Amino acid sequence: DGGITQSPKYLFRKEGQNVTLSCEQNLNHDAMYWYRQDPGQGLRLIYYSQIVNDFQKGDIAEGYSVSREKKESFPLTVTSAQKNPTAFYLCASSIGQGAGTEAFFGQGTRLTVV
Amino acid sequence: KQEVTQIPAALSVPEGENLVLNCSFTDSAIYNLQWFRQDPGKGLTSLLLIQSSQREQTSGRLNASLDKSSGRSTLYIAASQPGDSATYLCALGGFQKLVFGTGTRLLVSP
Repeated sequence: DGGITQSPKYLFRKEGQNVTLSCEQNLNHDAMYWYRQDPGQGLRLIYYSQIVNDFQKGDIAEGYSVSREKKESFPLTVTSAQKNPTAFYLCASSIGQGAGTEAFFGQGTRLTVV
Repeated sequence: KQEVTQIPAALSVPEGENLVLNCSFTDSAIYNLQWFRQDPGKGLTSLLLIQSSQREQTSGRLNASLDKSSGRSTLYIAASQPGDSATYLCALGGFQKLVFGTGTRLLVSP
C-alpha cells in the first residue's frame, strides 16, 4: 500500500537528549514536510524539502534539524535546544509544491519529555 | 500573513442531521484549499481538495465550496453519522506550505 509511515508512534525524551523521528514515503513524492501540532493550535510548519539534498526552514525551525538524503526519507531530529518539545509531530508529502498539489499525512509521532 | 479561522470550534448534533462547517481566511492569493479529517491521536486524512479556480468539490456525502472573493470555504456533511465524529481541519495551500485552521470538533450522537 502506498503511504507515509512515521515511527515510532510514541517517543519519550529525557532532558538534554536529542531524538530522531522517522518519516518514510513510498508515493514517489518530491516534497516532504514536518508539522508540529499542539492542543488548541493549528499545525505549524517546522521544515520542508522540495527535492533530495535540499530543505528549508519553516515557521518554527529553532531546535530542530532535518536531512533529505533519499527521496523517500525525511527524518526530523529534535535537539536539546528545543525547550518545549512535547507535542504531536506530523510528516506529510506531496507530488510537488505549488498549485494543485494535494498533501498526504502520516499517522504521527507523539513526543513527550520525561 | 495568512490567517485561517474555523467556526464553530465544537459542534454536537444528532445522527441524520445535515451540517455545515465554516473556514474563513484573510488572503485570497491561494493555490488550493484542502479539508482534512483527524481522529483522536491520529494523523490527517485528506477529504477534499479544491483548486483555486474551482468553486466546489464533492465526495459522497461531503461537499466543499470555495469563495475566494469573500475568503470563505464551507464543508457540508449530509445525513451525518456517528462515524463522522472527528476534528475537521481546513488548510490553505500557498506556494511553499499549507496554513491550517484550528479545526472544528464534531460529535454526532446516535
